[in-house]
Amino acid sequence: DAKTTQPPSMDCAEGRAANLPCNHSTISGNEYVYWYRQIHSQGPQYIIHGLKNNETNEMASLIITEDRKSSTLILPHATLRDTAVYYCIVRVGSRPDSNYQLIWGAGTKLIIKP
Amino acid sequence: DSGVTQTPKHLITATGQRVTLRCSPRSGDLSVYWYQQSLDQGLQFLIQYYNGEERAKGNILERFSAQQFPDLHSELNLSSLELGDSALYFCASSVGNVGRGNEQFFGPGTRLTVL
Repeated sequence: DAKTTQPPSMDCAEGRAANLPCNHSTISGNEYVYWYRQIHSQGPQYIIHGLKNNETNEMASLIITEDRKSSTLILPHATLRDTAVYYCIVRVGSRPDSNYQLIWGAGTKLIIKP
Repeated sequence: DSGVTQTPKHLITATGQRVTLRCSPRSGDLSVYWYQQSLDQGLQFLIQYYNGEERAKGNILERFSAQQFPDLHSELNLSSLELGDSALYFCASSVGNVGRGNEQFFGPGTRLTVL
């Protein structure tokens, strides 16, 4: 089962790009990488996910290394409202396309400073 | 607003009691997931239902049970409550299974306090 490793905390200046790393060295070839964030005690918010290729949406970019053992979430122009805990998670499961669940670690607490 | 609703927002009860948490998924979503988040912890997956059937099980205690009804709303039942059950309980929904790359949309959570 794939697990993830993230730094417990990071700071970033407002307006700069925030780059959040994640290691998932035991990921399997058909496992997606998901990124969510949680602001205070609100419900987690989906950011982005990817399998092999880099992905970009209106919130962020996801860069996945060629060997898929790590990825980086990029918030291109961080604002104070991006202060949150960011979770990098992968699915684990025992059968193809069923019984999958997302294993959530402790995440990275990102603090955006003015 | 994710489109997922949870009731109640807050629940205060005593040890030994039984409570029911309710979740309505986004329109069109067939999967419902339940998570527990204790203070300053990550989310612990409890259970998933897909179109009324149990699909995946995580670290759910035997004192806890859930079901998904024909209208796709779900209920999480917590019985013989203990102090350690105090936590935020989140419900999430998705169109299908996360195995297909489907993102989950989370509700605002129910904060349970057991005294």
